[in-house]
Parts: sequence; C-alpha cells; structure tokens
Amino acid sequence: DQQVKQNSPSLSVQEGRISILNCDYTNSMFDYFLWYKKYPAEGPTFLISISSIKDKNEDGRFTVFLNKSAKHLSLHIVPSQPGDSAVYFCAARGFGSSNTGKLIFGQGTTLQVKP
Amino acid sequence: ETGVTQSPTHLIKTRGQQVTLRCSSQSGHNTVSWYQQALGQGPQFIFQYYREEENGRGNFPPRFSGLQFPNYSSELNVNALELDDSALYLCASSLAGPGGYGYTFGSGTRLTVV
Repeated sequence: DQQVKQNSPSLSVQEGRISILNCDYTNSMFDYFLWYKKYPAEGPTFLISISSIKDKNEDGRFTVFLNKSAKHLSLHIVPSQPGDSAVYFCAARGFGSSNTGKLIFGQGTTLQVKP
Repeated sequence: ETGVTQSPTHLIKTRGQQVTLRCSSQSGHNTVSWYQQALGQGPQFIFQYYREEENGRGNFPPRFSGLQFPNYSSELNVNALELDDSALYLCASSLAGPGGYGYTFGSGTRLTVV
C-alpha cells in the first residue's frame, strides 16, 4: 500500500528551464508534505515543505504547490541548474505522527539538468 | 556544527548473523529516527527514539531494535539477518523533538546480506 507515489522515475530538463516533479498521495490524513534532495553517497537533504492548510510555498528557486482535491503536489524549480541534478523524494507526515517522526516517502524521481 | 555521522559506511554480513549500526546525532539534536532504503525505493521509517525511549515504530519486525544513549547517539540492531535486509540504512536527527520534521540525515550505512 504505497500512500505516497512518485510515478516518474526520471526527468531530464535543459539548464535554465523549469523542472516540475510530481507526487500523488492517497491518504487525506497528512498534515505536512516535504521534499528532500539526495545526491549519491549522501543522505537526503531537506529542501522545502508545505502545510496541508496551504496551497503554495516558495523558497528562492523552489516552489511547492499542493492540490488537496486532487491529492497531488508538485515541486517547481526555476531556473534549473546542473547542480540540481539529484534524486528528489516527496514525503508526507500523518496527523497523529507528529510525535513519532514518521515520514512516508515516495519512490523518488531522478532529475538530470543538462548544461 | 557537525552533521549526522553514521558508521560503518559499508558492511557485508551473512544471513542469520546480527549487525549493529551506529549514528552520532548532529550537535544538540535529541531525537533520532532510523530509515531503511531498499534499492530503487524511498526510505521507510523503522523507529524513532526520544529521550532514550522508542516513541514510534514502523512496520518492521521485533528483530529490528535500537538504543539511544544519554549523548543522543543511537544504535540500530538487526538480528537473524535475511537477504531482504540488504539496504541503505539512514539515521536522521532533529532538534525539535517529537513533532518536528526538520531532520538532518546521515549518509547512511550500506548493508549487504549474502
């Protein structure tokens, strides 16, 4: 039962263009959604988050959009840079999990930004 | 400010053996979570420790156990290793305590069970 899904295993974009990474979830009982970036041989690094009561959060080149009716969120990177090439994980925290630290991760999307 | 340090970085064990993985939390962080990441998958929550007690657990059998020490470092122990236990094991620490989500992850321990 995969509650958080990233259906695109990989994405390739040209430097300077927009990267859009998508994530779907099946459980409405999530209170926070997060995006992590992971380089090879390193642990995931927190990128940006959004509360379930918001529909947009922006931090520099990164914007996360949340569509609760569609149970869908997306991460936009504008403009994309070669250093953004990494695996991106979508994660969700359930209501009631706030005291346990449990995050549910998607399978990840490998982003390649070509110079 | 030091990050999260995990040891060893790589490990090969035989099926049926026991293994201990170690994690040093980021300075001042008092909450530690462990995750298992199988190849091609996202990390899966194993459990969390806060104030030296387990306060949350994912769908992992009892042969996965842990400890948190007074200095907030942590161990993950896995008994009776199975081939499917081969994975990257990630430790994450947080300053916020239970309820926080701004975890700092270590680089992980790659465990191979043969």
